[in-house]
Amino acid sequence: GAGVSQTPSNKVTEKGKYVELRCDPISGHTALYWYRQSLGQGPEFLIYFQGTGAADDSGLPNDRFFAVRPEGSVSTLKIQRTERGDSAVYLCASSQLAGAGWDEQFFGPGTRLTVL
Amino acid sequence: KQEVTQIPAALSVPEGENLVLNCSFTDSAIYNLQWFRQDPGKGLTSLLLIQSSQREQTSGRLNASLDKSSGRSTLYIAASQPGDSATYLCAVSSASKIIFGSGTRLSIRP
Repeated sequence: GAGVSQTPSNKVTEKGKYVELRCDPISGHTALYWYRQSLGQGPEFLIYFQGTGAADDSGLPNDRFFAVRPEGSVSTLKIQRTERGDSAVYLCASSQLAGAGWDEQFFGPGTRLTVL
Repeated sequence: KQEVTQIPAALSVPEGENLVLNCSFTDSAIYNLQWFRQDPGKGLTSLLLIQSSQREQTSGRLNASLDKSSGRSTLYIAASQPGDSATYLCAVSSASKIIFGSGTRLSIRP
């Protein structure tokens, strides 16, 4: 596709449920990133993939959060036993070159997650 | 630990004015600095990327500068227009992650 896409655009769930958020990066981009953005704040880094492997997952807040990228393109962010504090906009970005710090990142529109 | 601060948090100016947005960071060991624009309810749009070896980048009415030694960057917007109204975020990259500031919410009054 022409840009990074994310689905769903909105997700409302109940506390304790499991959710999956999907990201389709720009075709050919090797690096993929997940961020979380709370209201009035800048995006907060969660995890960075280089190809299929997670090169840096130090931003994941706890073990309820997990992300995969099995074929090096689409990625899924998985949240178990959701809590109200998980409510935020989850942003995905991709970049062409290896190394998160080196190349321009292109962002998707985000998934707004609301945990009731 | 890298911290990124943007001042002011909000700014309102009349159309046509030139303006400057500020970004400061605590660790000068960065790979690059990027300025983004975010419209309400939308994702981020990259405006300018300055590599650590560069001092400035220009795109149209936008000019971004970088002073690594002092840990500062500025985004200059010339001849502001109502369509420039948005939140502007700066982000610095170091190692494998990018750290964002909280943004400056800009409003251009017609």
